[in-house]
Amino acid sequence: AQSVTQLDSQVPVFEEAPVELRCNYSSSVSVYLFWYVQYPNQGLQLLLKYLSGSTLVKGINGFEAEFNKSQTSFHLRKPSVHISDTAEYFCAVSLPSGNTPLVFGKGTRLSVIA
Amino acid sequence: DVKVTQSSRYLVKRTGEKVFLECVQDMDHENMFWYRQDPGLGLRLIYFSYDVKMKEKGDIPEGYSVSREKKERFSLILESASTNQTSMYLCAGTHRAGGVNEQFFGPGTRLTVL
Repeated sequence: AQSVTQLDSQVPVFEEAPVELRCNYSSSVSVYLFWYVQYPNQGLQLLLKYLSGSTLVKGINGFEAEFNKSQTSFHLRKPSVHISDTAEYFCAVSLPSGNTPLVFGKGTRLSVIA
Repeated sequence: DVKVTQSSRYLVKRTGEKVFLECVQDMDHENMFWYRQDPGLGLRLIYFSYDVKMKEKGDIPEGYSVSREKKERFSLILESASTNQTSMYLCAGTHRAGGVNEQFFGPGTRLTVL
């Protein structure tokens, strides 16, 4: 079975500072990896995904993530955050078979301070 | 644009009532999912469905049932609502893009059981 650990439940950061949201996963087989964002009172929106190939994945809104197989990590980064990035961020994994549900981490609440 | 809609954004029900949460997707895809989201617990899978009239239990199916009579509609049923079912409920459907089943989420239904 797969599992996901998001190491920080809350991350406060000043506007225009860089941020890293950490995600580690556990799986005995290859997986697909995802980051979703949830703005207040909304559903989840896909930020980026890693399927295979280049380990550095770029997503929407200036976010990127790096897949590290040896450390079983998929950390999300942004070089300069904005107030509008305040949201909850979820890391998720799935098997490549295509029909398996996503397994989510517990989420990291990013608060950007002016 | 891919779209997943949920019948209500906010719902208030009394203990013991039968509650129906409706979800409709326009992606013509087989897979649909119901999650509940609680602070500090992330998203937990309640039920999912791979096709019409098919259903699979997720991680926390107790107290819930589902119905999938048409491909585009997936209903979550609380047979006798209880206060511990107060939560945010998120529906998702999948759309195949780039060889991957990507999950798209509805806006969520915030259910309060009094």
